[in-house]
Amino acid sequence: DSGVTQTPKHLITATGQRVTLRCSPRSGDLSVYWYQQSLDQGLQFLIQYYNGEERAKGNILERFSAQQFPDLHSELNLSSLELGDSALYFCASSTPPYEQYFGPGTRLTVT
Amino acid sequence: AQSVTQPDIHITVSEGASLELRCNYSYGATPYLFWYVQSPGQGLQLLLKYFSGDTLVQGIKGFEAEFKRSQSSFNLRKPSVHWSDAAEYFCAVGHGSSNTGKLIFGQGTTLQVKP
Repeated sequence: DSGVTQTPKHLITATGQRVTLRCSPRSGDLSVYWYQQSLDQGLQFLIQYYNGEERAKGNILERFSAQQFPDLHSELNLSSLELGDSALYFCASSTPPYEQYFGPGTRLTVT
Repeated sequence: AQSVTQPDIHITVSEGASLELRCNYSYGATPYLFWYVQSPGQGLQLLLKYFSGDTLVQGIKGFEAEFKRSQSSFNLRKPSVHWSDAAEYFCAVGHGSSNTGKLIFGQGTTLQVKP
């Protein structure tokens, strides 16, 4: 158990819909990272928040957004979903620049 | 641009045999290097990390890795593989600045263990 929690574990939704994925970091970690894992793209960094502020952006679509709240939990919002958004979404936490610990992931299926 | 290459997509070894998984990176400065393991349907578990110092690092589950700057490599090794080691292994490079640390992952190597 890494100490990072993610909900929900599985999510099935239809194209065009909007979903929210939630992540709670390890106690004491200030940074939250979001990654997408798909068969064709592998593991891709999406976005990082550090103590409530956006710190780095990767290959994140404009339809996706995230935020980190004062209690340090984070949410990843995915809107206007397409079939190609089906993937595993991981959250990781760390106190940079040290190692990241990953949550169990949310498997998103868009039908 | 930073990148990580894992040349072997799939490796099969016999239980009890030694293992080496290859990882090459491209990075402009001294990298932070990691190996993670992912079992089917699971998240990523950190096996070991290299930040600085001794180039041979020990990790969990009997794994070790050696950082070779001249070869831009960080290969993962285990002297004797167990059936439970069957999983997907990811090498990653991280940026070590003070408040960023996104990881760039290789494509992964799937390890199959024959009885």
